[in-house]
Amino acid sequence: AQSVTQPDIHITVSEGASLELRCNYSYGATPYLFWYVQSPGQGLQLLLKYFSGDTLVQGIKGFEAEFKRSQSSFNLRKPSVHWSDAAEYFCAVGAEPSGSARQLTFGSGTQLTVLP
Amino acid sequence: NAGVTQTPKFRVLKTGQSMTLLCAQDMNHEYMYWYRQDPGMGLRLIHYSVGEGTTAKGEVPDGYNVSRLKKQNFLLGLESAAPSQTSVYFCASSYIDNTEAFFGQGTRLTVV
Repeated sequence: AQSVTQPDIHITVSEGASLELRCNYSYGATPYLFWYVQSPGQGLQLLLKYFSGDTLVQGIKGFEAEFKRSQSSFNLRKPSVHWSDAAEYFCAVGAEPSGSARQLTFGSGTQLTVLP
Repeated sequence: NAGVTQTPKFRVLKTGQSMTLLCAQDMNHEYMYWYRQDPGMGLRLIHYSVGEGTTAKGEVPDGYNVSRLKKQNFLLGLESAAPSQTSVYFCASSYIDNTEAFFGQGTRLTVV
């Protein structure tokens, strides 16, 4: 069964500082990997996804993530954090679409606080 | 374009009461999902549907039922609410499985 671990429950950074959120997954084959962001009182919004190809993927709002198969990781990064980035971030893993439904498995989330 | 719309947004139930949560999507997506979100546990899949007239159990299906009579709607029912069902419920849809899922804004349910 697939699983996702986000080791950091809460991270605090200063505005303008760089950010890295960790995500480790467990899956037997090539995973489909996602990062979602949830602002307070809102639903989840997709930041970026990895299916195949270039292991460094770019997303919205200046975020990027790097797939490292050898480390089973898909860490999310941003060079310079803005106060509006304060939110909860979820990593998710899924199987390759095959015509039969496979569920996404979400991590428990990392809450990001941005200090002025 | 509304995307995924959930109703209601908030609800308080007494133990033993029943209710139905409605999810509607206007993107012609085949796949629809119901998740619950609890602190420190991320999102857990309750039930999902791969098309009109189909439903399947997810990770935590007990105490819930679903129906997908129309492609654009996915209903989540609680027949006899329990305090353990206090949670935030999210509906999502996707074109096919394991691609980008679009989420509604959630329903905060409290069972007292």
